[in-house]
Amino acid sequence: AQSVTQLDSQVPVFEEAPVELRCNYSSSVSVYLFWYVQYPNQGLQLLLKYLSGSTLVESINGFEAEFNKSQTSFHLRKPSVHISDTAEYFCAVRRGNQFYFGTGTSLTVIP
Amino acid sequence: DSGVTQTPKHLITATGQRVTLRCSPRSGDLSVYWYQQSLDQGLQFLIQYYNGEERAKGNILERFSAQQFPDLHSELNLSSLELGDSALYFCASSVAPRGGNEKLFFGSGTQLSVL
Repeated sequence: AQSVTQLDSQVPVFEEAPVELRCNYSSSVSVYLFWYVQYPNQGLQLLLKYLSGSTLVESINGFEAEFNKSQTSFHLRKPSVHISDTAEYFCAVRRGNQFYFGTGTSLTVIP
Repeated sequence: DSGVTQTPKHLITATGQRVTLRCSPRSGDLSVYWYQQSLDQGLQFLIQYYNGEERAKGNILERFSAQQFPDLHSELNLSSLELGDSALYFCASSVAPRGGNEKLFFGSGTQLSVL
């Protein structure tokens, strides 16, 4: 069975510090990888995705994630966080028409 | 395995028809959420129930309706189906309504294809 593991349930980080949100998946076949973000009192939004090509993908607000096939990871990083990045982040894997979500990482940016 | 069960996994139907998607939340979770997703896009929130009562409504069409039963499972009813309703429908559950640090657990989705 597919599984997606987000090891960190809550990540507090000071403003302007770097952050990494970890995501590992179990799969022996090709998958597509996604990060979603849910800001307080809002629905989920697609942050970035890896479908093929370059293993490093970037979002418009400074986040990036790197697909590492050998480590089956798709960690999300940002070199300098803002207060507005406080949200819950979900990693997801798509295999065929099925999606598998992690349980989310709550990022809190401290002023 | 998130503990959230959605059935069926795949559903193929014709325009004008009506279908019912089912969701069983994690044991102990009182809140159920329904989302719609076009492939590779973000999830659009449809509706939320908490302990049998409608809690929040998103961009849910009037042709769609949902309910949560006393045993806490939920059903999403889609009627007068159109081609554009083809999508992945997700259910998620949490212990309580979102607002604190309650974790959200997703099912693996129901793929609806309207032909």
